[in-house]
Amino acid sequence: KAGVTQTPRYLIKTRGQQVTLSCSPISGHRSVSWYQQTPGQGLQFLFEYFSETQRNKGNFPGRFSGRQFSNSRSEMNVSTLELGDSALYLCASSLDSRASGYNEQFFGPGTRLTVL
Amino acid sequence: TQLLEQSPQFLSIQEGENLTVYCNSSSVFSSLQWYRQEPGEGPVLLVTVVTGGEVKKLKRLTFQFGDARKDSSLHITAAQPGDTGLYLCAGYYNNNDMRFGAGTRLTVKP
Repeated sequence: KAGVTQTPRYLIKTRGQQVTLSCSPISGHRSVSWYQQTPGQGLQFLFEYFSETQRNKGNFPGRFSGRQFSNSRSEMNVSTLELGDSALYLCASSLDSRASGYNEQFFGPGTRLTVL
Repeated sequence: TQLLEQSPQFLSIQEGENLTVYCNSSSVFSSLQWYRQEPGEGPVLLVTVVTGGEVKKLKRLTFQFGDARKDSSLHITAAQPGDTGLYLCAGYYNNNDMRFGAGTRLTVKP
Protein backbone atom coordinates (compact mmCIF):
# COMPACT_ATOMS: atom_id res chain seq x y z
CA LYS A 1 0.00 0.00 0.00
CA ALA A 2 1.48 3.36 -0.99
CA GLY A 3 2.28 5.79 1.81
CA VAL A 4 1.36 9.41 2.22
CA THR A 5 2.78 11.59 -0.51
CA GLN A 6 3.38 15.32 -0.40
CA THR A 7 4.28 17.71 -3.18
CA PRO A 8 6.41 19.60 -3.67
CA ARG A 9 9.20 18.43 -1.36
CA TYR A 10 10.97 21.78 -1.38
CA LEU A 11 9.74 25.28 -2.05
CA ILE A 12 11.30 28.73 -1.90
CA LYS A 13 9.07 31.78 -1.82
CA THR A 14 9.41 35.44 -0.96
CA ARG A 15 7.53 37.45 1.63
CA GLY A 16 4.03 38.41 0.58
CA GLN A 17 3.58 35.53 -1.85
CA GLN A 18 1.15 32.70 -1.36
CA VAL A 19 1.76 28.96 -1.54
CA THR A 20 -0.28 25.79 -1.98
CA LEU A 21 0.92 22.42 -0.71
CA SER A 22 -0.59 19.09 -1.66
CA CYS A 23 -1.08 15.82 0.21
CA SER A 24 -2.34 12.44 -0.98
CA PRO A 25 -3.30 10.17 1.91
CA ILE A 26 -2.99 6.42 2.17
CA SER A 27 -5.73 4.72 0.19
CA GLY A 28 -8.80 4.26 2.38
CA HIS A 29 -7.81 6.92 4.90
CA ARG A 30 -10.40 9.65 5.17
CA SER A 31 -8.78 11.91 7.73
CA VAL A 32 -5.95 14.26 6.80
CA SER A 33 -4.16 16.46 9.31
CA TRP A 34 -1.58 19.16 8.69
CA TYR A 35 1.27 20.16 10.99
CA GLN A 36 3.95 22.81 10.99
CA GLN A 37 7.32 21.79 12.38
CA THR A 38 10.02 24.26 13.34
CA PRO A 39 13.12 23.82 15.52
CA GLY A 40 11.80 26.23 18.12
CA GLN A 41 8.14 25.19 18.34
CA GLY A 42 8.24 21.52 17.43
CA LEU A 43 5.19 19.96 15.79
CA GLN A 44 2.24 22.32 15.84
CA PHE A 45 -1.22 21.17 14.70
CA LEU A 46 -2.75 23.26 11.93
CA PHE A 47 -6.04 21.55 11.04
CA GLU A 48 -7.72 18.26 10.31
CA TYR A 49 -10.07 17.42 7.46
CA PHE A 50 -12.47 14.53 7.28
CA SER A 51 -14.89 13.88 4.43
CA GLU A 52 -14.16 17.29 2.91
CA THR A 53 -14.99 19.12 6.16
CA GLN A 54 -12.61 20.82 8.55
CA ARG A 55 -13.13 18.94 11.79
CA ASN A 56 -10.49 20.47 14.03
CA LYS A 57 -8.32 23.55 13.92
CA GLY A 58 -5.17 24.63 15.70
CA ASN A 59 -4.17 28.08 16.81
CA PHE A 60 -2.90 29.59 13.56
CA PRO A 61 -3.92 32.82 11.82
CA GLY A 62 -6.45 32.86 9.01
CA ARG A 63 -3.64 33.10 6.44
CA PHE A 64 -3.42 29.33 6.84
CA SER A 65 -6.26 27.48 5.19
CA GLY A 66 -6.95 24.10 3.71
CA ARG A 67 -9.40 21.92 1.93
CA GLN A 68 -10.07 18.30 1.18
CA PHE A 69 -11.41 16.81 -2.00
CA SER A 70 -13.84 13.95 -2.48
CA ASN A 71 -10.93 11.53 -3.07
CA SER A 72 -9.50 12.55 0.35
CA ARG A 73 -6.58 14.40 -1.19
CA SER A 74 -5.91 17.63 0.66
CA GLU A 75 -4.29 20.97 0.02
CA MET A 76 -3.18 23.68 2.38
CA ASN A 77 -2.67 27.28 1.41
CA VAL A 78 -0.67 30.01 3.11
CA SER A 79 -1.30 33.54 1.91
CA THR A 80 0.84 36.63 2.45
CA LEU A 81 3.87 34.64 3.47
CA GLU A 82 6.03 35.84 6.36
CA LEU A 83 9.60 34.92 7.21
CA GLY A 84 8.33 33.02 10.24
CA ASP A 85 6.36 30.67 8.00
CA SER A 86 9.58 28.93 7.00
CA ALA A 87 9.13 25.39 8.26
CA LEU A 88 8.60 21.75 7.41
CA TYR A 89 4.91 21.22 6.67
CA LEU A 90 3.77 17.70 7.38
CA CYS A 91 0.64 15.93 6.32
CA ALA A 92 -0.66 12.86 8.15
CA SER A 93 -3.49 10.54 7.24
CA SER A 94 -5.49 8.16 9.39
CA LEU A 95 -8.64 6.10 9.47
CA ASP A 96 -11.47 7.77 11.30
CA SER A 97 -11.18 6.33 14.74
CA ARG A 98 -12.87 8.81 16.99
CA ALA A 99 -15.28 6.20 18.29
CA SER A 100 -12.46 4.00 19.56
CA GLY A 101 -10.17 6.81 20.75
CA TYR A 102 -7.41 5.21 18.79
CA ASN A 103 -5.83 7.46 16.21
CA GLU A 104 -2.75 6.23 14.37
CA GLN A 105 -1.40 8.84 12.04
CA PHE A 106 0.91 8.12 9.14
CA PHE A 107 3.05 10.98 7.97
CA GLY A 108 4.29 12.04 4.59
CA PRO A 109 7.88 13.20 4.03
CA GLY A 110 6.88 16.85 4.34
CA THR A 111 7.32 19.99 2.28
CA ARG A 112 10.23 22.17 3.27
CA LEU A 113 9.12 25.80 2.77
CA THR A 114 11.68 28.57 2.86
CA VAL A 115 10.45 32.17 2.85
CA LEU A 116 13.03 34.78 1.86
CA THR B 1 3.38 25.08 27.87
CA GLN B 2 3.51 21.65 26.26
CA LEU B 3 0.67 19.30 27.13
CA LEU B 4 3.19 16.49 26.81
CA GLU B 5 6.61 16.92 28.37
CA GLN B 6 9.43 14.82 27.00
CA SER B 7 12.74 14.25 28.73
CA PRO B 8 15.56 14.45 28.21
CA GLN B 9 15.53 16.95 25.39
CA PHE B 10 18.90 15.77 24.08
CA LEU B 11 20.74 12.51 24.63
CA SER B 12 24.13 11.47 23.26
CA ILE B 13 25.41 7.98 24.03
CA GLN B 14 27.86 5.37 22.77
CA GLU B 15 26.84 2.37 20.74
CA GLY B 16 25.86 -0.51 23.01
CA GLU B 17 24.52 1.59 25.87
CA ASN B 18 20.95 1.44 27.16
CA LEU B 19 18.68 4.46 27.47
CA THR B 20 15.20 5.50 28.54
CA VAL B 21 13.23 8.52 27.40
CA TYR B 22 10.08 9.76 29.06
CA CYS B 23 6.81 11.34 28.07
CA ASN B 24 4.71 12.88 30.85
CA SER B 25 1.42 14.71 31.07
CA SER B 26 -1.16 15.80 33.61
CA SER B 27 -3.91 14.67 31.23
CA VAL B 28 -5.30 11.20 30.62
CA PHE B 29 -4.93 9.93 27.09
CA SER B 30 -7.09 7.50 25.16
CA SER B 31 -3.98 6.29 23.38
CA LEU B 32 -0.37 7.30 22.99
CA GLN B 33 2.03 6.84 20.12
CA TRP B 34 5.77 6.97 19.73
CA TYR B 35 7.36 8.13 16.49
CA ARG B 36 10.92 8.40 15.21
CA GLN B 37 11.86 11.14 12.80
CA GLU B 38 15.05 11.45 10.78
CA PRO B 39 16.27 14.77 9.36
CA GLY B 40 14.27 15.98 6.38
CA GLU B 41 11.67 13.22 6.70
CA GLY B 42 8.28 12.81 8.32
CA PRO B 43 7.82 10.98 11.63
CA VAL B 44 7.47 7.21 11.37
CA LEU B 45 5.06 5.47 13.72
CA LEU B 46 6.80 2.99 16.03
CA VAL B 47 4.04 1.87 18.36
CA THR B 48 0.61 2.69 19.79
CA VAL B 49 -0.28 1.93 23.41
CA VAL B 50 -3.87 1.99 24.56
CA THR B 51 -4.27 0.18 27.87
CA GLY B 52 -2.91 1.50 31.18
CA GLY B 53 0.14 -0.53 32.23
CA GLU B 54 0.59 -1.91 28.73
CA VAL B 55 4.08 -2.95 27.67
CA LYS B 56 5.03 -3.47 24.03
CA LYS B 57 8.31 -4.64 22.60
CA LEU B 58 9.69 -3.92 19.17
CA LYS B 59 13.05 -5.70 18.85
CA ARG B 60 15.37 -3.70 21.15
CA LEU B 61 12.71 -1.08 21.95
CA THR B 62 10.35 -1.45 24.92
CA PHE B 63 7.40 0.88 25.33
CA GLN B 64 5.35 1.25 28.48
CA PHE B 65 2.12 3.13 29.12
CA GLY B 66 1.57 4.31 32.68
CA ASP B 67 -1.17 2.75 34.76
CA ALA B 68 -3.08 6.05 34.82
CA ARG B 69 -2.51 6.61 31.07
CA LYS B 70 -0.79 9.92 31.74
CA ASP B 71 2.78 8.94 30.98
CA SER B 72 4.90 6.64 28.88
CA SER B 73 8.48 5.54 28.51
CA LEU B 74 10.64 4.20 25.72
CA HIS B 75 13.62 2.03 26.62
CA ILE B 76 16.26 1.10 24.06
CA THR B 77 18.64 -1.75 24.78
CA ALA B 78 22.10 -1.86 23.24
CA ALA B 79 21.59 1.27 21.16
CA GLN B 80 22.96 1.35 17.62
CA PRO B 81 23.85 4.29 15.35
CA GLY B 82 20.75 3.50 13.31
CA ASP B 83 18.63 4.45 16.35
CA THR B 84 19.75 8.06 15.98
CA GLY B 85 16.83 10.41 15.43
CA LEU B 86 14.14 12.54 17.03
CA TYR B 87 11.77 10.51 19.18
CA LEU B 88 8.31 12.03 19.53
CA CYS B 89 5.43 10.98 21.71
CA ALA B 90 1.89 11.92 20.76
CA GLY B 91 -1.19 11.64 22.91
CA TYR B 92 -4.75 11.36 21.69
CA TYR B 93 -7.36 12.62 24.13
CA ASN B 94 -10.96 13.72 24.32
CA ASN B 95 -11.53 11.65 21.16
CA ASN B 96 -10.87 14.83 19.29
CA ASP B 97 -7.40 16.12 19.86
CA MET B 98 -3.88 14.89 19.29
CA ARG B 99 -0.86 16.59 20.78
CA PHE B 100 2.85 16.02 20.29
CA GLY B 101 5.69 16.41 22.72
CA ALA B 102 8.72 18.49 21.75
CA GLY B 103 10.78 15.33 21.28
CA THR B 104 14.01 13.76 22.47
CA ARG B 105 16.91 14.08 20.06
CA LEU B 106 19.02 10.93 20.35
CA THR B 107 22.53 10.54 18.96
CA VAL B 108 24.22 7.17 19.12
CA LYS B 109 27.94 7.34 18.40
CA PRO B 110 29.72 4.34 16.88
